[in-house]
Amino acid sequence: AQSVTQPDIHITVSEGASLELRCNYSYGATPYLFWYVQSPGQGLQLLLKYFSGDTLVQGIKGFEAEFKRSQSSFNLRKPSVHWSDAAEYFCAVGPGGAQKLVFGQGTRLTINP
Amino acid sequence: NAGVTQTPKFQVLKTGQSMTLQCAQDMNHNSMYWYRQDPGMGLRLIYYSASEGTTDKGEVPNGYNVSRLNKREFSLRLESAAPSQTSVYFCASKRGENTEAFFGQGTRLTVV
Repeated sequence: AQSVTQPDIHITVSEGASLELRCNYSYGATPYLFWYVQSPGQGLQLLLKYFSGDTLVQGIKGFEAEFKRSQSSFNLRKPSVHWSDAAEYFCAVGPGGAQKLVFGQGTRLTINP
Repeated sequence: NAGVTQTPKFQVLKTGQSMTLQCAQDMNHNSMYWYRQDPGMGLRLIYYSASEGTTDKGEVPNGYNVSRLNKREFSLRLESAAPSQTSVYFCASKRGENTEAFFGQGTRLTVV
């Protein structure tokens, strides 16, 4: 069965610093990968997705993620964080052609001024 | 665009009471989902409907039932609420294979 692990439950970075959130997945074939962001009291918003092709994908709000098949990873990055990036971030995997999404446990991001 | 609309946004139930969470999408999506979100556990799939007329169990279906009323609407019913069902419930929809899911704003349910 597929699974997603986000090793970091909580990360704190200073405003303007770079950010990397880790995501590792377990799946036998090529997965479909997603990063979602959840602001407090809100639903989930899609940041970016990987289906195929270029392994470096760009998303909204200046985020990017890189798919590394050899490491079963799909880490999210941002060169310079803003206070408004404080939120919870979820990595998800959906097996190709199937319907369901499996989510990681989430990483809560705190931004220091 | 309304997207995915969930009602109610907040609800408090007593143990043993029943209730139905409503979800509607206006994007003509084929697939709809119910997830629950608990601290430290991410989102777990309760039930899903791959297309109108079909429903299937997800990871944590016990204590819940669903109805895909039509293509737009997918409801989640708690027949006899338990404190363990205190959670935030999210409805989501997808157009089909190889597409992303769109989420509602959530329903915060407390069972006392």
